[in-house]
Amino acid sequence: GENVEQHPSTLSVQEGDSAVIKCTYSDSASNYFPWYKQELGKRPQLIIDIRSNVGEKKDQRIAVTLNKTAKHFSLHITETQPEDSAVYFCAASTPGKSTFGDGTTLTVKP
Amino acid sequence: DTGVSQDPRHKITKRGQNVTFRCDPISEHNRLYWYRQTLGQGPEFLTYFQNEAQLEKSRLLSDRFSAERPKGSFSTLEIQRTEQGDSAMYLCASSLLGGDEQYFGPGTRLTVT
Repeated sequence: GENVEQHPSTLSVQEGDSAVIKCTYSDSASNYFPWYKQELGKRPQLIIDIRSNVGEKKDQRIAVTLNKTAKHFSLHITETQPEDSAVYFCAASTPGKSTFGDGTTLTVKP
Repeated sequence: DTGVSQDPRHKITKRGQNVTFRCDPISEHNRLYWYRQTLGQGPEFLTYFQNEAQLEKSRLLSDRFSAERPKGSFSTLEIQRTEQGDSAMYLCASSLLGGDEQYFGPGTRLTVT
């Protein structure tokens, strides 16, 4: 089955700095890679995603890159703000099934 | 609210009791997923439905767990003879057929005492 590893488990940055979270996956059949933000006590919210036929995608301050050959993908947040503080999860998906990483707790210090 | 809804939001039960949770997906979504999330972990896939058909089930799902989606709309997840290790947040998500984006419900937090 699919195995997703996510690093780091915790990340602390100063407001305005960039944050990078990295994930690796094992199953070459995975073709969809979403990122979720989960605030304490709330549901995971999709923030950006990328499909296997694309190498990079950007949405305002958030970008995701995918290296299919190396089976890794990364989330980049620029100009971080205190409201970006949350737990971020990556996932590797085939139709009908997503395997999630264990999450990264991001803290943005004002 | 047209998002995914789950009921109840919280459930406290004694070990050995049966519990049932309900999920109402976004109305036009054909696919429905169940996940379990424990503290400090990502959501763990349990099972998924396409319309009323249960197409995949995690091998982690013991025979005490059963899920149904009889009319292809809402779904129920039942846990029989609950154990303390079943304590977790049970999340439901839905997506369009042919779409990848999953939208999560608020979850049902189960505490087994």
